[in-house]
Amino acid sequence: GAGVSQSPSNKVTEKGKDVELRCDPISGHTALYWYRQSLGQGLEFLIYFQGNSAPDKSGLPSDRFSAERTGGSVSTLTIQRTQQEDSAVYLCASSLVQSSYNEQFFGPGTRLTVL
Amino acid sequence: GDSVTQMEGPVTLSEEAFLTINCTYTATGYPSLFWYVQYPGEGLQLLLKATKADDKGSNKGFEATYRKETTSFHLEKGSVQVSDSAVYFCALSVFGNQFYFGTGTSLTVIP
Repeated sequence: GAGVSQSPSNKVTEKGKDVELRCDPISGHTALYWYRQSLGQGLEFLIYFQGNSAPDKSGLPSDRFSAERTGGSVSTLTIQRTQQEDSAVYLCASSLVQSSYNEQFFGPGTRLTVL
Repeated sequence: GDSVTQMEGPVTLSEEAFLTINCTYTATGYPSLFWYVQYPGEGLQLLLKATKADDKGSNKGFEATYRKETTSFHLEKGSVQVSDSAVYFCALSVFGNQFYFGTGTSLTVIP
């Protein structure tokens, strides 16, 4: 079946512009996660959605970052007024339910470059 | 807070060599532990996991044992192959709402 998909695969933008990154999770997966992977760094948790519950935004690095999940499926991560330090690979993952032992399925990522 | 520390790379081994990638963790509760692998040009995928102390996760010849007494989850393989060249990430989760990943260890296996 289809895995997690993300778009665009690459995004180059100018400092100060807003960007939107999209994630399509696996159908039926209720949990959705966003991570940021910077060069030489591990995966940094950004935000988590579980069903219709309020998202866990504790990982968002600043108020320029926001995310929404419409209809419990597709999610959009928005970065406003992008800065050069926002350059990274943004990964989305989904899992069947919220559980500490459920496998996460990752998308291929969106590589964001802020000039 | 919860965190994972894993061995820094890069690691270069000859084919059929023994592999160990160290991973230690700090957690406030009772975490589940994971190893994810990222092959060149591909997304992260689960390699193995263990959900309680003394559990051993295994897959594709790789093994890792959940050691509560040493707070470790070291990844091992007895005989690596060129196809094992990838970046390996150790991770933990306590409640499933947040997963904490290590910085990744790059492995290159040469023929």
